[in-house]
Amino acid sequence: EPEVTQTPSHQVTQMGQEVILRCVPISNHLYFYWYRQILGQKVEFLVSFYNNEISEKSEIFDDQFSVERPDGSNFTLKIRSTKLEDSAMYFCASTYREMNTEAFFGQGTRLTVV
Amino acid sequence: TQLLEQSPQFLSIQEGENLTVYCNSSSVFSSLQWYRQEPGEGPVLLVTVVTGGEVKKLKRLTFQFGDARKDSSLHITAAQPGDTGLYLCARRGSSNTGKLIFGQGTTLQVKP
Repeated sequence: EPEVTQTPSHQVTQMGQEVILRCVPISNHLYFYWYRQILGQKVEFLVSFYNNEISEKSEIFDDQFSVERPDGSNFTLKIRSTKLEDSAMYFCASTYREMNTEAFFGQGTRLTVV
Repeated sequence: TQLLEQSPQFLSIQEGENLTVYCNSSSVFSSLQWYRQEPGEGPVLLVTVVTGGEVKKLKRLTFQFGDARKDSSLHITAAQPGDTGLYLCARRGSSNTGKLIFGQGTTLQVKP
């Protein structure tokens, strides 16, 4: 069964460092998303991406965040200068269509900023 | 508001018991999805409900969408330890970008 894969599964980084979280969406999907889940809190939308550009972003997705689809298969989330409060599970998701379709989530990357 | 309120937040029951979790909003939504998330994994879609009053069954799970499309419930019959996990309801955002808005989830623990 096709699945969304994320690497690494766990990333520990020092405050102020840059991190890149990687995702390989399902191959025929066209819409890509990043969500995050701070421990004990709800899953929160960060950004949606279609046709090589951001289609929507949340207030959380400030100038420290960027997304890229560099090679037609990977979808990356970069945090330029990590803060302690960026510690969370980050989930990538993809869908075939924009609406009325199932979102497939990756297993997540646990980011710990120390 | 587009917020989804789930209740209860935590539920610990014995194997074989029945349970219901709720997802409520003050606004009408066109559809609602229920997801299950296990520790260390991403959410996995269980069902999408679209029509007011709709009832969908998935083995021992029964999903209901309120007539006014402001609330939904998930009922599990004869819960098993394998049902343990975080149950999330989610709705589409008002912009047509596929964004999902999640409730805070109900953590279910089924003890053998």
